[in-house]
Amino acid sequence: DADVTQTPRNRITKTGKRIMLECSQTKGHDRMYWYRQDPGLGLQLIYYSFDVKDINKGEISDGYSVSRQAQAKFSLSLESAIPNQTALYFCATSDGGAATQYFGPGTRLTVL
Amino acid sequence: RKEVEQDPGPFNVPEGATVAFNCTYSNSASQSFFWYRQDCRKEPKLLMSVYSSGNEDGRFTAQLNRASQYISLLIRDSKLSDSATYLCVVGPPSGTYKYIFGTGTRLKVLA
Repeated sequence: DADVTQTPRNRITKTGKRIMLECSQTKGHDRMYWYRQDPGLGLQLIYYSFDVKDINKGEISDGYSVSRQAQAKFSLSLESAIPNQTALYFCATSDGGAATQYFGPGTRLTVL
Repeated sequence: RKEVEQDPGPFNVPEGATVAFNCTYSNSASQSFFWYRQDCRKEPKLLMSVYSSGNEDGRFTAQLNRASQYISLLIRDSKLSDSATYLCVVGPPSGTYKYIFGTGTRLKVLA
């Protein structure tokens, strides 16, 4: 089984809808991250969490919110989806410091 | 100057060729460096970490040059299955959180 899982894998939604992307991990890592990837751009950090009570905004957090329900679960919400949030979203985990990051399989989100 | 820069390619090489990619970074306080492989529309997967002394894993060799602030990846005896995008990733300096991702170098290995 995969160490980092994401649901859903694909989602098409309409402008103004609220949606949630979920991430779970079995690696036992404290640190979890949400990124988006757009064609031709590097991964951009949306939010990160160093433990259940430590959640921080990344470089592009506007329009997004997160919830760290447990060490193993980190959810990303789009409060009111807009078309320019159409992207590939990745969850990642790491074991502290500047350690290797491990990515989930991604969620392809389309906002019409 | 971008925090991490890579040549986007594509690098089109025949099977069996040797190919090298470079990546430059701007923050001299960075402490960890990685090469990831990303197939089309899939997640980045760790190819190798890059150590100061250089390191090798089979056909892949990574080097770090701190003085010039670049890392490199050498692929020997290229296989068709090596076709992918290779991401250079710079880990956060001590006390910070941000990993910096390059936009990737696209490799196509041709039969």
